[in-house]
Amino acid sequence: EPEVTQTPSHQVTQMGQEVILRCVPISNHLYFYWYRQILGQKVEFLVSFYNNEISEKSEIFDDQFSVERPDGSNFTLKIRSTKLEDSAMYFCASSERGEWEQFFGPGTRLTVL
Amino acid sequence: GEDVEQSLFLSVREGDSSVINCTYTDSSSTYLYWYKQEPGAGLQLLTYIFSNMDMKQDQRLTVLLNKKDKHLSLRIADTQTGDSAIYFCAEIVRDDKIIFGKGTRLHILP
Repeated sequence: EPEVTQTPSHQVTQMGQEVILRCVPISNHLYFYWYRQILGQKVEFLVSFYNNEISEKSEIFDDQFSVERPDGSNFTLKIRSTKLEDSAMYFCASSERGEWEQFFGPGTRLTVL
Repeated sequence: GEDVEQSLFLSVREGDSSVINCTYTDSSSTYLYWYKQEPGAGLQLLTYIFSNMDMKQDQRLTVLLNKKDKHLSLRIADTQTGDSAIYFCAEIVRDDKIIFGKGTRLHILP
């Protein structure tokens, strides 16, 4: 069964460093999303992406964040200068037609020291 | 604004039924979901209900939707130890982003 994959599973970085989180959505999906979950809190929407541009973004998704689909298979989330409060689990999701079912990856745990 | 609320903990004896409740705010939501998250794992779509339905049954799972009260519940019959997880209630807003609750941690007592 096709699935969304994410790498790495755990990333540790120093405050102020740039990180890139990688996702490979399901191959025929056209809509892509990033969510994050700070430890013990709810899963929060960050951004949606379709047709090579951002469809919607939340207040959390400020200028430090960017997303890209550099090729036909990867979807990346870049944090330019990480802060301690960026420590969280980041989930990528994709859907075929932007409809009801979004398939989530296993997540990347980002730890900022 | 958009919000989903659910209780944080539920303890149930093995073999009993578990009922997890949730309230949401966006009356225009087309789909409402229950996701399951096991320790260290990602989010697994457990079940969903379309907003024009009142009830959906899927094996041991029963979802009840009260649109008037914006109340959603998940009943797990014959709860097993493998059901131990965090259950997230969620709604889709403007058919695009999913708004999640904080999750209910289901603990199974022997």
